[in-house]
Amino acid sequence: ELKVEQNPLFLSMQEGKNYTIYCNYSTTSDRLYWYRQDPGKSLESLFVLLSNGAVKQEGRLMASLDTKARLSTLHITAAVHDLSATYFCAVDISGTYKYIFGTGTRLKVLA
Amino acid sequence: GAVVSQHPSRVICKSGTSVKIECRSLDFQATTMFWYRQFPKKSLMLMATSNEGSKATYEQGVEKDKFLINHASLTLSTLTVTSAHPEDSSFYICSAGQGNFEKLFFGSGTQLSVL
Repeated sequence: ELKVEQNPLFLSMQEGKNYTIYCNYSTTSDRLYWYRQDPGKSLESLFVLLSNGAVKQEGRLMASLDTKARLSTLHITAAVHDLSATYFCAVDISGTYKYIFGTGTRLKVLA
Repeated sequence: GAVVSQHPSRVICKSGTSVKIECRSLDFQATTMFWYRQFPKKSLMLMATSNEGSKATYEQGVEKDKFLINHASLTLSTLTVTSAHPEDSSFYICSAGQGNFEKLFFGSGTQLSVL
């Protein structure tokens, strides 16, 4: 059974600080996605990572994928309050487009 | 990007009634759609895969007679929660893809509350 675990589950950080969220998965996959979810809302696509070594950056967020280690990271640089949300990674099972979502990381950025 | 519309966004119903949720791909033809449910402060759990013109494939532990899925056209999939009970209260989200797509597109979600 594919497991996708995120670490940490909860993160409270001060504005201006940096932090990394980790996403570990238990089976082979080279397609990984990061999403943001605000309370009561659906998912907002952040990054699509489709190969080993892929790195993508948008604003204060940067995501990377290491398929050999079965690990993806979401790095936050100089956090701002607007980044407060829940972040999910999702792994595509062998290119089937069936996404298995991680446990989620609830981020709170304190002003 | 492509747009997936989900309706209704919120529904409240009495226990024992059935509720239908629609998921439409507005500007592309979706060969495959997926249905997820999400409990408060939890992750999304895949319920079923819906392919146009064929029966849905349900994940282990999902009751196919409770959650009826129909994908009658390339732009519409429906999820019907039959004889709803309070434990069916949840946030339901659909997603859709097209052909050899890079990623799925997600609907806006439906909050179901069963009284």
